[in-house]
Amino acid sequence: GAVVSQHPSRVICKSGTSVKIECRSLDFQATTMFWYRQFPKQSLMLMATSNEGSKATYEQGVEKDKFLINHASLTLSTLTVTSAHPEDSSFYICSVPRMEGDTQYFGPGTRLTVL
Amino acid sequence: AQSVTQPDIHITVSEGASLELRCNYSYGATPYLFWYVQSPGQGLQLLLKYFSGDTLVQGIKGFEAEFKRSQSSFNLRKPSVHWSDAAEYFCAVQETSGSRLTFGEGTQLTVNP
Repeated sequence: GAVVSQHPSRVICKSGTSVKIECRSLDFQATTMFWYRQFPKQSLMLMATSNEGSKATYEQGVEKDKFLINHASLTLSTLTVTSAHPEDSSFYICSVPRMEGDTQYFGPGTRLTVL
Repeated sequence: AQSVTQPDIHITVSEGASLELRCNYSYGATPYLFWYVQSPGQGLQLLLKYFSGDTLVQGIKGFEAEFKRSQSSFNLRKPSVHWSDAAEYFCAVQETSGSRLTFGEGTQLTVNP
């Protein structure tokens, strides 16, 4: 069964609005979660690392005021795209690392379309 | 900084033919290595991973990969491709367990009947 869930799976919004995407770890607790963005026909690019109990760590070039990350609990991280614009349209995927020697589990992704 | 290169953007094979997808990495030490598959509009599914030990790794769906330290490669293979294997394949490296993943550009696999 699914280990990581994302909600919503698909969202269409108007330019200027804010959109919140949730990433939930269903089977285990995680102090760290990762947020990736994938544009059509491209690879996944890490946006930020979500840290439970502290501020997120953003990759170079990612606007922290635009992409707000909140690691609310050991099983939930949220990504809020503020004042979304058409260029923010993308596939957003979260991943959760499980334990020493294990791999990361990916959520099913959220398709964001900004009109 | 670590990097991953997948030289083949698009590969087309006939159903039943063998497959090899190339992956090269750049990193000072031996990283953790992964292959993921992504169907259109879907998330990523782990095919296999290499952390240490036997350099030939078996994965799901009949895939295998071989780690070659001398070539900094981790190529994915399958002896007989099925039409359902058509998808995007990503090679990824991880510096330490639980750290961020760095992905290659991906290889789009098309399977002809």
